[in-house]
Amino acid sequence: GESVGLHLPTLSVQEGDNSIINCAYSNSASDYFIWYKQESGKGPQFIIDIRSNMDKRQGQRVTVLLNKTVKHLSLQIAATQPGDSAVYFCAENWKNNAGNMLTFGGGTRLMVKP
Amino acid sequence: DAMVIQNPRYQVTQFGKPVTLSCSQTLNHNVMYWYQQKSSQAPKLLFHYYDKDFNNEADTPDNFQSRRPNTSFCFLDIRSPGLGDAAMYLCATSPITTGNEKLFFGSGTQLSVL
Repeated sequence: GESVGLHLPTLSVQEGDNSIINCAYSNSASDYFIWYKQESGKGPQFIIDIRSNMDKRQGQRVTVLLNKTVKHLSLQIAATQPGDSAVYFCAENWKNNAGNMLTFGGGTRLMVKP
Repeated sequence: DAMVIQNPRYQVTQFGKPVTLSCSQTLNHNVMYWYQQKSSQAPKLLFHYYDKDFNNEADTPDNFQSRRPNTSFCFLDIRSPGLGDAAMYLCATSPITTGNEKLFFGSGTQLSVL
């Protein structure tokens, strides 16, 4: 669903630590999920995706976990770097009359302290 | 080698003065989307084109229109911008709408309304 409000949740981590960003999605029929990274003044950038028939997927330094029972998605970033500082959005794919649509959840701002 | 290009990056318009934002893509994708993103919020889908078929989200105001003259280009027209329309406008593409496809985003156009 659409996030409301002027303040994003913020996660502050020390450089080199692991980060975990969480997301609750809304539609139990969603079958595909994506994490996007958005730096200030830029468009969202694809990080990693996962299909609903999986519960874990790993990329380079990133892991996505999917728990369909509680409709929860998480993004784990290993050895967080200053360049990881950004807003992270999860997105879920679901079907409406016009086809399959990608809907964004509320974002989380990640701040990495050197 | 930008694949989804939005122009201009920054647009200033006056209250009530029509404005057009443009998007072009080199990916030859069938689907083009327009999202509105207000400060500290998630991107919100306004509408999308599947080839020449236009699909409007139910809650998109009539003030927002779109044109897609060919596969490569898509325009967002705001007929009478209000102060509440100040936002980042994101264009995105994907190959199909059958699901399980990530979107490719442009860098966005930041619209200010004076």
